[in-house]
Amino acid sequence: DSGVTQTPKHLITATGQRVTLRCSPRSGDLSVYWYQQSLDQGLQFLIQYYNGEERAKGNILERFSAQQFPDLHSELNLSSLELGDSALYFCASSPAAHRGGEQYFGPGTRLTVT
Amino acid sequence: AQSVTQLGSHVSVSEGALVLLRCNYSSSVPPYLFWYVQYPNQGLQLLLKYTSAATLVKGINGFEAEFKKSETSFHLTKPSAHMSDAAEYFCAVSDFSGYALNFGKGTSLLVTP
Repeated sequence: DSGVTQTPKHLITATGQRVTLRCSPRSGDLSVYWYQQSLDQGLQFLIQYYNGEERAKGNILERFSAQQFPDLHSELNLSSLELGDSALYFCASSPAAHRGGEQYFGPGTRLTVT
Repeated sequence: AQSVTQLGSHVSVSEGALVLLRCNYSSSVPPYLFWYVQYPNQGLQLLLKYTSAATLVKGINGFEAEFKKSETSFHLTKPSAHMSDAAEYFCAVSDFSGYALNFGKGTSLLVTP
């Protein structure tokens, strides 16, 4: 158990809908990262927050957004969902944000868009 | 951008045999490299990381990796495979952009009796 929690574990929804994925980082970790894992794209970095502020963006679609709240939990919002958005979404956390820092991954949320 | 390439999407070894999973990196500066393992229906677990302190890095579960600058490689090894080692293994490099991880496509390790 990494100490990172993600809810829900599974989510099934229809195309065009909007969903919110939630992540609670390890106690004391200030940095949160979101990753998407799909069969065709592999593991891709989406976005990072550090102590409530957006720090970096990766291959995140404009239909996707995220935020980190004062209690440091983070939410990833996915809207206008398409079949291709079906994937495993991971949240990871780290104590700080520096190159070479270890990231601790949650168990993931499996999103299925039908 | 920093990137890694994992050679071999599937590797099969017999129980008790040497495990060798290959990873090559591309980086314009000294890299920070990681190996993660993903068991079925689980998240990623850190096996080990290289941050320039020592070229031979020991990790959990008997795994180790050697950083070779001349070969731009960071291969993962384990002297004797166990059935419980069957999983997906990912090599990753720390990027400059927010220090996110750039992952390879993964290698699925199968251990046969």
